[in-house]
Amino acid sequence: DIQMTQSPSSLSASVGDRVTITCQASHDISDYLNWYQQKPGRAPSLLISDASNLETGVPSRFSGSGSGTDFTFTISSLQPEDIATYYCQQYTNLPLTFGGGTKVEIK
Amino acid sequence: EVQLVESGGGLVQPGRSLRLSCAASGFTFGDFGIHWVRQAPGKGLEWVSGISWNSRDIGYADSVKGRFTISRDNAKNSLYVQMNSLRAEDTALYYCAKVAASGFFLGTFDIWGRGTMVTVSS
Repeated sequence: DIQMTQSPSSLSASVGDRVTITCQASHDISDYLNWYQQKPGRAPSLLISDASNLETGVPSRFSGSGSGTDFTFTISSLQPEDIATYYCQQYTNLPLTFGGGTKVEIK
Repeated sequence: EVQLVESGGGLVQPGRSLRLSCAASGFTFGDFGIHWVRQAPGKGLEWVSGISWNSRDIGYADSVKGRFTISRDNAKNSLYVQMNSLRAEDTALYYCAKVAASGFFLGTFDIWGRGTMVTVSS
């Protein structure tokens, strides 16, 4: 199984801050890596596919990069509506696996 | 509107069975792979099972293999999972999620339902 190690597990930042989350895969997954946002009480929603492709309608302050085993998710300027838990996910092969999640809060 | 709606959750005793459904609308259901993902209370996301558009490819997490059976009825635009021998650790919110690219078994989940809660307790 491919393990996805996501860090940090939580963070607190101020509005306007740059926020970075990392995700490390235990094996090479090329760019088969997605990022999801889950707001409290809501279903996850797709933000970034294939490591760096921003989904239509997602604000440009969100971005993703990386390939192989190391990936980064960035919010360039944190907004109050970005309070959520963020998950990475690989889809190279089964079982599909998610990172443990990063809970983002406003300081 | 593209939509997935789960149903069938509830409170069930350990060892009993439950069947969840996921009704799709707003897209050609039979063209897309669909998966189940669950989330235990206060925990992260866990992939459970998936099925390709034509049911030829099916996969299960080790934690449910041999107990859960996924199926689909493209004529009814519906996905199912039969859950047998339920355990306390199966307690979770169960989401169905659609693969973004048609014809692919594995891929990005672009549409998620709101989930149906399964509680396994005596």
